[in-house]
Amino acid sequence: EVQLVQSGAEVKKPGESLKISCKGSGYTFTNSWIGWVRQMPGKGLELMGIIYPSDSDTRYSPSFQGQVTISADKSINTAYLQWSSLKASDTAMYYCVRGYYYFDYWGQGTLVTVSS
Amino acid sequence: QSALTQPASVSGSPGQSITISCTGTSSDVGGYKYVSWYQQHPGKAPKLMIYDISNRPSGVSNRFSGSKSGNTASLTISGLQAEDEADYYCRSYTSSTTGVFGTGTKVTVL
Repeated sequence: EVQLVQSGAEVKKPGESLKISCKGSGYTFTNSWIGWVRQMPGKGLELMGIIYPSDSDTRYSPSFQGQVTISADKSINTAYLQWSSLKASDTAMYYCVRGYYYFDYWGQGTLVTVSS
Repeated sequence: QSALTQPASVSGSPGQSITISCTGTSSDVGGYKYVSWYQQHPGKAPKLMIYDISNRPSGVSNRFSGSKSGNTASLTISGLQAEDEADYYCRSYTSSTTGVFGTGTKVTVL
């Protein structure tokens, strides 16, 4: 059974750094793209970027380029999304997804709250 | 890259059929077969309902169907049921970016 299991909810202060994770199982991790989708409170879905774990080819959506870093460690089947300096506007639910043209599996979501 | 345009809300009575539109441009919806649809219930992760315009993943009810004409894709839910009440998002591949989601549609079962 394909699963994407994300790390738990985080509460951070503005300016702090953060790295959240997404562990894939039940399929060959290196053979599928993994993406990160943001959903701000009460808002729609936004793809932040995608990574191909086999060679770490990473593509960012224009709105998120330079704002976050997406990475993957294929030795432990895990993808990451990280911020170097969080802002209050980063408060959102973040989902990892599998796929490129469409997203067939979704993680359970990681709620990130940034508040002073 | 602007979000694809969907109606904010669509409603119908149980048993009826409803259609949600998703309008883009020739650079996204109109240019490729890679249109997908997602269902999201409150507090839950989205779920893939349709991919490549009209294909259903295993386990998705055949009450859900997809189509495309020009720059507009559509999701039709036939035999509407209470459990279909949710938010629905379309998405399209684009050649210039990583793809784009629609604005989302809230489906209400009256």
